[in-house]
Amino acid sequence: QVQLVQSGAEVRQPGASVKVSCKSSGYTFTSYYIHWVRQAPGQGLEWMGIINPGGYTTKYAEKFQGRVTVTRDTSTSTVNMELRSLEYEDSAVYYCAREAGEGASSYLDFWGQGTLITVSS
Amino acid sequence: SSELTQDPAVSVALGQTVRITCQGDSLRDYYASWYQQKPGQAPVLVVYGENKRPSGIPDRFSASSSANTASLTITGARAEDEAAYYCHSRDINYNVYVFGPGTEVTVL
Repeated sequence: QVQLVQSGAEVRQPGASVKVSCKSSGYTFTSYYIHWVRQAPGQGLEWMGIINPGGYTTKYAEKFQGRVTVTRDTSTSTVNMELRSLEYEDSAVYYCAREAGEGASSYLDFWGQGTLITVSS
Repeated sequence: SSELTQDPAVSVALGQTVRITCQGDSLRDYYASWYQQKPGQAPVLVVYGENKRPSGIPDRFSASSSANTASLTITGARAEDEAAYYCHSRDINYNVYVFGPGTEVTVL
């Protein structure tokens, strides 16, 4: 069965960086794009970026350009998301999600359990 | 970049029908997908494409679209449908993706 398992909660100080991992299993890792989505406390879902694990192409939301990097390790079927220069407003639950479908109809069919990142001094 | 808009909250009586809408320019070219999220849980895909449901999602959830508006309808709402619902689509201009702000559904 398809599973996306994320790394555990982290606490970071302002200005630091954090890396969240998302390990995939149950499907061909290089055949599906992976998205990163975050949710601040009491807020909605916010799209951050996407990676094609097969082609290694990435695309980020303008808001996070220059501050986020998404990478993949095909040997471990893992996608990593690094966010730098953390601010208090980056405190949120971060999700990875698998994209299925194609063309005009793509969707996020499987999600990780979420990783809580707390930015605190 | 384009945006998606949703009503912040709606309520529905138990057993009645509620429609949640999502508006945005990108919806003229891309289907929306819809996600249900309950407190403390990860989002769950409920409807996608023209009107498709993943395995395990009840058929009381359905989708439709017209011009720049996508809709999610819950027919015969149940207490367990109380949740936040988010639409999601691709942004045609910038090859990125966007979520709507979410609609909180209360079942009375």
